Amino acid sequence: QVQLQESGPGLVKPSQTLSLTCSVSGGSISSDDYYWSWIRQPPGKGLEWIGYIYYGGSTYYNPSLKSRVTISLDASKNQFSLKLSSVTAADTAVYYCARVVVHPAYYFDYWGQGTLLTVSS
Amino acid sequence: EIVLTQSPGTLSLSPGERATLSCRASQSVSSSYLAWYQQKPGQAPRLLIYGASSRATGIPDRFSGSGSGTDFTLTISRLEPEDFAVYYCQQFGGSPHFGQGTKLEIK
Repeated sequence: QVQLQESGPGLVKPSQTLSLTCSVSGGSISSDDYYWSWIRQPPGKGLEWIGYIYYGGSTYYNPSLKSRVTISLDASKNQFSLKLSSVTAADTAVYYCARVVVHPAYYFDYWGQGTLLTVSS
Repeated sequence: EIVLTQSPGTLSLSPGERATLSCRASQSVSSSYLAWYQQKPGQAPRLLIYGASSRATGIPDRFSGSGSGTDFTLTISRLEPEDFAVYYCQQFGGSPHFGQGTKLEIK
C-alpha cells in the first residue's frame, strides 16, 4: 500500500519561502509509471494543482504559480519537495502531495493527508 | 487552459435517491484525462472514477461516470449516508485543473 506524508513548518512569514517535503512509502519514487505532484486547498475553497515532477527530472508547473514554484525529487530518500517563494496570506492552504498515474489514463490515485500551512507575521 | 465548470453548486437529496452531477469543460477533453474525486471534511480527496468511466479500486458500483468531449457526468445510483460530501471533477489536458466542486448535502 502506497502512503504519502507531508511535512513542513506549519507557519511561514509573509515574503519568506515555503518548504514542504513529501515522504513516500510502499513504493518507489524512481518509477517511470508515475509523476509526483503538489496540490493545495485554501480554507473553505476548492483544489488547485501546483505542479508535478517526473523521476527523469522534468517538471510542470501551474502557469499562475510558475514564477514562484520549484519542485524537486530525492530518490535516495524516496521524497519530493515543494518550494514556494515570496508567500502572502493568499498562499495559506492545506497542501497535499499526491501520486499521478500516467498510463493509460491520467489521475491522482494516492494522496497524503495534507498539511496546513499558514502565512502570517 | 481548459476550465471545468461543475453543476449544480449544491445538490440536496435524501438517502436512497439518485444523484447526477455534471462537469462541463471549456474545450474538448480526452476521456483518458477526466477523473472524479470525493472529499469529506478534514480529509484528502479520494479517487472515485478515472478515464471518465472506470471505477477506482474499492469504489462501490453505485458510483458511475460517463460522458465525452466537453460533457461528463458522475451518477450515484442510490445514495448512502456516507456519500454526502463534496465532489470534484478534474482534467489532465494541458495544465491539470479541478472543477469548483459540487456539495452533495442531506435534504
